[in-house]
Amino acid sequence: SQQGEEDPQALSIQEGENATMNCSYKTSINNLQWYRQNSGRGLVHLILIRSNEREKHSGRLRVTLDTSKKSSSLLITASRAADTASYFCASKQGGSEKLVFGKGTKLTVNP
Amino acid sequence: NAGVTQTPKFRVLKTGQSMTLLCAQDMNHEYMYWYRQDPGMGLRLIHYSVGEGTTAKGEVPDGYNVSRLKKQNFLLGLESAAPSQTSVYFCASGRELKVLAKNIQYFGAGTRLSVL
Repeated sequence: SQQGEEDPQALSIQEGENATMNCSYKTSINNLQWYRQNSGRGLVHLILIRSNEREKHSGRLRVTLDTSKKSSSLLITASRAADTASYFCASKQGGSEKLVFGKGTKLTVNP
Repeated sequence: NAGVTQTPKFRVLKTGQSMTLLCAQDMNHEYMYWYRQDPGMGLRLIHYSVGEGTTAKGEVPDGYNVSRLKKQNFLLGLESAAPSQTSVYFCASGRELKVLAKNIQYFGAGTRLSVL
């Protein structure tokens, strides 16, 4: 069963605006990751946050993790048309070698 | 550095035909995975491997078989294709860095399979 669920399913914004995507998961995790998928391509890893971390930054990306609410958010600041893609969260349970992916948020950034 | 390479990129099969999808990685990763991606369903794990000669079932293994005879290759087989197996298939590889609690996966470009 799917562990992560992203919200919203689709998001359309103007270039320069910020985009926020949320992810909820069901069981305790070891880490949570965000991936990006451009149309017709494979997934690319963006950022990883461990269960003992609350916030992490990488360039224009900011990820937060709230383990008490079993949720994470991905913020993309000053979005660009090139950020148009689907974004997936993926969680890892403690002893598992697997990641469980959510269904994704489709982001469209209009120029 | 090619990363993860999937072949073929596209394939059309008739119901009942068989085929093998090949995944090759050149990063010396221990772990390899096969996923399928369907509209509105996200990625679902079919089978995975934690090392050469090992395989394990994922979330949706029925109708598929896998083999990992060499560390760098992970094969996904469909013995008797069904229309329900029409999907985009992704292979990924990775290694676990337990001390850092990291297990990033690297994906191939995908194989688009249609079963008529």
